[in-house]
Amino acid sequence: GENVEQHPSTLSVQEGDSAVIKCTYSDSASNYFPWYKQELGKRPQLIIDIRSNVGEKKDQRIAVTLNKTAKHFSLHITETQPEDSAVYFCAASIWGGKLIFGQGTELSVKP
Amino acid sequence: EAGVAQSPRYKIIEKRQSVAFWCNPISGHATLYWYQQILGQGPKLLIQFQNNGVVDDSQLPKDRFSAERLKGVDSTLKIQPAKLEDSAVYLCASSRTYGGLGQGAPDTQYFGPGTRLTVL
Repeated sequence: GENVEQHPSTLSVQEGDSAVIKCTYSDSASNYFPWYKQELGKRPQLIIDIRSNVGEKKDQRIAVTLNKTAKHFSLHITETQPEDSAVYFCAASIWGGKLIFGQGTELSVKP
Repeated sequence: EAGVAQSPRYKIIEKRQSVAFWCNPISGHATLYWYQQILGQGPKLLIQFQNNGVVDDSQLPKDRFSAERLKGVDSTLKIQPAKLEDSAVYLCASSRTYGGLGQGAPDTQYFGPGTRLTVL
């Protein structure tokens, strides 16, 4: 079945720096890739998603890139702020069915 | 619009006891998911409903877990009997629909606040 690997597991950056989180997936049929942000004790919240018919999507300070050939996708956060500190999960699915999540990346942005 | 509602928010039980969780999805959302999130891990799907029918329950431990969505709206997830390894956050999510194989564009899943279960 589908498997999603996510790296790194922890990431610490200085405020204003960029952060990059990478994921790889195993099932070439996967065509929907959302990213969720989860603050401690809170629900996962969708921050950006990408479908397999595009290679890049940007929303203000957040961007996601997709390489279908290599089966990997990445989250880029620029000009990080302390409120970006949270656990970030990538996920993959086929046509928006069940989400297969990565293991999560704990991002810490130091003021 | 109101979000996905879940109750209770916290539950502490002893092993071998039973427990039930309730979920009310966003109004009009046909697809409902139950995920299990063990501390330090990503959520893992337990069961997916489309209206009141089961789409995927391949990861549901059916000897102890059961779920229903009788009228295609609210859903209940039950564990009986509970084991120590069932300690986790149980997340409910909903989406307007889901694409299925070639049935259309995927749809965003919105998560509820979760129920934190501790089994002693």
